[in-house]
Amino acid sequence: SQQGEEDPQALSIQEGENATMNCSYKTSINNLQWYRQNSGRGLVHLILIRSNEREKHSGRLRVTLDTSKKSSSLLITASRAADTASYFCATDADAGGTSYGKLTFGQGTILTVHP
Amino acid sequence: DVKVTQSSRYLVKRTGEKVFLECVQDMDHENMFWYRQDPGLGLRLIYFSYDVKMKEKGDIPEGYSVSREKKERFSLILESASTNQTSMYLCASSTWTSGRAWGSTDTQYFGPGTRLTVL
Repeated sequence: SQQGEEDPQALSIQEGENATMNCSYKTSINNLQWYRQNSGRGLVHLILIRSNEREKHSGRLRVTLDTSKKSSSLLITASRAADTASYFCATDADAGGTSYGKLTFGQGTILTVHP
Repeated sequence: DVKVTQSSRYLVKRTGEKVFLECVQDMDHENMFWYRQDPGLGLRLIYFSYDVKMKEKGDIPEGYSVSREKKERFSLILESASTNQTSMYLCASSTWTSGRAWGSTDTQYFGPGTRLTVL
């Protein structure tokens, strides 16, 4: 079963606009991560937020985490055509014990930024 | 920078063939993972390994096996390829995690992927 589920499935915006993607998960977590995937390529880690953090920034990226609602959002500000990609959230699979680094990925949001 | 390489970007095989997909990482990571990615299904974990010669089943291990004889190399084996194994295969690695320790991050580093077509 999917631990993380992204919303929306697809998002189409113009360059310069902000893009917001949401992720919901089911069980308690240690941290939540966001990854990016360009078409036909591997995933690249963007940002990690720990369960005791509420907000984190990295360049044009802003991630929020609400553990009470089991949800996270990724905001990309002032988007560029080069931001066109799929974005995935990932949560550690086991809340307790040793997880061996296993992550569970959502199905992703496909972001298209039009020049 | 962490580098994870996969043996092929594109592979075409016939039904019934034995297929080897290889993954090599150069950062001395303990954990390695094999996923397959299909449209509408996201990434699904096939197998993972947390040490040499150790392997654990993921969510969809049927039809696959793995081998980890050296720390840097993790191989995925399709014993008898079938058309429903046509997919994008992604390998990833991460460093050791201590579970709920605050220092662990579980960030995974991915290879470029192998697009396998089974005819």
